[in-house]
Amino acid sequence: AQKVTQAQTEISVVEKEDVTLDCVYETRDTTYYLFWYKQPPSGELVFLIRRNSFDEQNEISGRYSWNFQKSTSSFNFTITASQVVDSAVYFCALSEARGNEKLTFGTGTRLTIIP
Amino acid sequence: DSGVTQTPKHLITATGQRVTLRCSPRSGDLSVYWYQQSLDQGLQFLIHYYNGEERAKGNILERFSAQQFPDLHSELNLSSLELGDSALYFCASSVDPTAWKQYFGPGTRLTVL
Repeated sequence: AQKVTQAQTEISVVEKEDVTLDCVYETRDTTYYLFWYKQPPSGELVFLIRRNSFDEQNEISGRYSWNFQKSTSSFNFTITASQVVDSAVYFCALSEARGNEKLTFGTGTRLTIIP
Repeated sequence: DSGVTQTPKHLITATGQRVTLRCSPRSGDLSVYWYQQSLDQGLQFLIHYYNGEERAKGNILERFSAQQFPDLHSELNLSSLELGDSALYFCASSVDPTAWKQYFGPGTRLTVL
């Protein structure tokens, strides 16, 4: 069975600080996909990134970066120079299927950026 | 705006009742997914329909059922409602099952009293 663990329930940082959200996953498959979604106060889930198990390259998109390490089964998310608009609940998710069917989500990390 | 619409936005009902939640996918998307977000269970995948056919099932109770119609909109039916069914129900859509990006609707908040 697959499982996603986000041990950090809530994090608060002061604006402009960097923050890293942790995600640890478990799966028996060799092919799988990892995702991060953002849920702002409005409630709608917003896709951030998808990574397949064969691509361990880290990715950077503006202030966001992702560190995928198969050796530790982790897919961590870092926000650099945080802004108040980054305040949201962030979910890490795993799919063992070819697409993104049967997404298994972590419990989420509530990030609060203090102005 | 993701392009996925869900109605109603809020629903308040009593235990034992039956409700129907509606979802219209983005134009051109053939896959529709349903998720439940509750304080107890977190965010859980319920069911996936592709072009009218059930494609995958997750942790969906037998009291719950879904369907996707020829115009591709989908309905999630919840019956014999219990207090524990109170949750936010999300619908998402994608082009097809292999598409890696899902677009989520705003959700329907169900409160069972």
